[in-house]
Amino acid sequence: DAKTTQPNSMESNEEEPVHLPCNHSTISGTDYIHWYRQLPSQGPEYVIHGLTSNVNNRMASLAIAEDRKSSTLILHRATLRDAAVYYCILLNYGGATNKLIFGTGTLLAVQP
Amino acid sequence: GAGVSQSPRYKVAKRGQDVALRCDPISGHVSLFWYQQALGQGPEFLTYFQNEAQLDKSGLPSDRFFAERPEGSVSTLKIQRTQQEDSAVYLCASSLVRGFYNEQFFGPGTRLTVL
Repeated sequence: DAKTTQPNSMESNEEEPVHLPCNHSTISGTDYIHWYRQLPSQGPEYVIHGLTSNVNNRMASLAIAEDRKSSTLILHRATLRDAAVYYCILLNYGGATNKLIFGTGTLLAVQP
Repeated sequence: GAGVSQSPRYKVAKRGQDVALRCDPISGHVSLFWYQQALGQGPEFLTYFQNEAQLDKSGLPSDRFFAERPEGSVSTLKIQRTQQEDSAVYLCASSLVRGFYNEQFFGPGTRLTVL
């Protein structure tokens, strides 16, 4: 399975944008890029996913590099509730399962 | 609507005891996953069900771990003769269908501590 690389931790100020990077240089053409986040003492929750084009939803935006070897999750205005571990995950839908392979993620701290 | 629920939320076991962890997925969800999360680590896949069929158990760490979903709804993860290294949070997730991607909805987890 293709791997992802993320910074261990990042800090942001409340109400400022946050850009969370992810490198996936060995991504295959059929790998989708997924982001999940895990708030303290909770299970992970889905944030967003994409293949080639940039994606927007109510939670965040996903910017995908043209060569697909990296991507960036963008939180437009960070709130205290966004403090969590963010996981960048590659998923190939052709597998027998859609199991998620988590790394260690990026711990985002949001300062008031 | 109701999300994925897990019980118990916390379980303390003495080494050597058997434990059973329950997962109630979202009604109608076909796929069900179990993950194990050690302290400070990301979740790791254990096993996958599609309805009542266990299609992937490649992540189960030993034959002491057993999972079932007999009626395609509630699932139970059983750990026999627990060891200290089994201490972790056990997460259950469900999703609507396989074949194309549907997001996985996670429960709050069961924190297992083996003394």
